[in-house]
Amino acid sequence: DVKVTQSSRYLVKRTGEKVFLECVQDMDHENMFWYRQDPGLGLRLIYFSYDVKMKEKGDIPEGYSVSREKKERFSLILESASTNQTSMYLCASSPTGTGVPNTEAFFGQGTRLTVV
Amino acid sequence: AQKITQTQPGMFVQEKEAVTLDCTYDTSDPSYGLFWYKQPSSGEMIFLIYQGSYDQQNATEGRYSLNFQKARKSANLVISASQLGDSAMYFCAMRPNRDDKIIFGKGTRLHILP
Repeated sequence: DVKVTQSSRYLVKRTGEKVFLECVQDMDHENMFWYRQDPGLGLRLIYFSYDVKMKEKGDIPEGYSVSREKKERFSLILESASTNQTSMYLCASSPTGTGVPNTEAFFGQGTRLTVV
Repeated sequence: AQKITQTQPGMFVQEKEAVTLDCTYDTSDPSYGLFWYKQPSSGEMIFLIYQGSYDQQNATEGRYSLNFQKARKSANLVISASQLGDSAMYFCAMRPNRDDKIIFGKGTRLHILP
């Protein structure tokens, strides 16, 4: 059974704290994603990684950074958490799509982060 | 820039009726994939159906079918014989084949009424 696991389901942090959200996949996928989900805004891509140590900014990278030191692990870092980063964070992985027509993303269970 | 538009924030449908959820997309890439996901209240994201831009036939998966109209850049999801368990948030997504970024629309919340 394929799996994407996020380290926490719920997290409460204080403004200004450095926050790490961890995601691990066991499918040997090249691609990993971090999305943020807010009511009325859908899923917005924060960062995307297509290989170890490789990353690309998504639509809303401000205030976030990422780390991918190993293929199976993709971390989202909030350098100095702010209340407007309170949200649901979803991690996903997928195999590379090059030459492969059907490469949907597999999602973790989500982390609901509250910054107070 | 790639963009997915879902114009229906919410829908109410009587059980056993068919449902059409709208999705339009914008891309300059000639080759791309289109996806639909379901997110029930539990929060998990469930992959439903895929359509490739060069597929000649509309995709079908059980009660789900995708009404793909390439010229209109439209990829509507059709759910036949709706069930109470279909109540959920539904997201349309697109991945251009030149890179692997997957972008999503804002979603449609579907309510099935008994």
